[in-house]
Amino acid sequence: QSALTQPPSASGSPGQSVTISCTGTSSDVGGYNYVSWYQQHPGKAPKLMIYEVSKRPSGVPDRFSGSKSGNTASLTVSGLQAEDEADYYCCSYAGSNIPVVFGGGTKLTVL
Amino acid sequence: QVQLVQSGAEVKKPGASVKVSCKASGYTFTSYGISWVRQAPGQGLEWMGWISAYNGNTNYAQKLQGRVTMTTDTSTSTAYMELRSLRSDDTAVYYCARYRLLAYYMDVWGKGTTVTVSS
Repeated sequence: QSALTQPPSASGSPGQSVTISCTGTSSDVGGYNYVSWYQQHPGKAPKLMIYEVSKRPSGVPDRFSGSKSGNTASLTVSGLQAEDEADYYCCSYAGSNIPVVFGGGTKLTVL
Repeated sequence: QVQLVQSGAEVKKPGASVKVSCKASGYTFTSYGISWVRQAPGQGLEWMGWISAYNGNTNYAQKLQGRVTMTTDTSTSTAYMELRSLRSDDTAVYYCARYRLLAYYMDVWGKGTTVTVSS
């Protein structure tokens, strides 16, 4: 059982926007501004897309954005492109004893 | 450029141990931590633990306590993850990742090492 809850799938057409949610508790997502998001293409290693809720690493397109409200974090992909089709995982700090908890992952399909 | 190069695939029998290496380059090794994450076939990401390359402090996932040991060799900028008493459900791809201490995210990942546990 994953500590953070993500929808198993999401989809959108090219050019559209899609938002993926990540629901935790006040002990993880809601308690800290340390939510990160990772993109994983089949057979590849994960790639950092968002850190500290809404910050983008260098090289990540500004079509990717992150936010948080209460115990739920969100990743929004705007202007969907075919190469955005991948699995997306959220991750949160949950205290010194459990510094990393992942969501179960969301498969994003570009229709 | 910053990169993490992991050791090759392993096949082990149940009950055996495996030790995976992760060699860092392109950055000051002791300024970051190394986190280990595994992914069973068709499953999501599972955090295994992390180690500070600065002082060797570790933090392991509770379910792996007692079976996993993470170490670093600062002279070669290499991190190691040893998993003992292997079971079939330890079959997975094992990733190392550079871990931003006190910011709690992983910004550079290795390509992964496949560990297969089979009799």
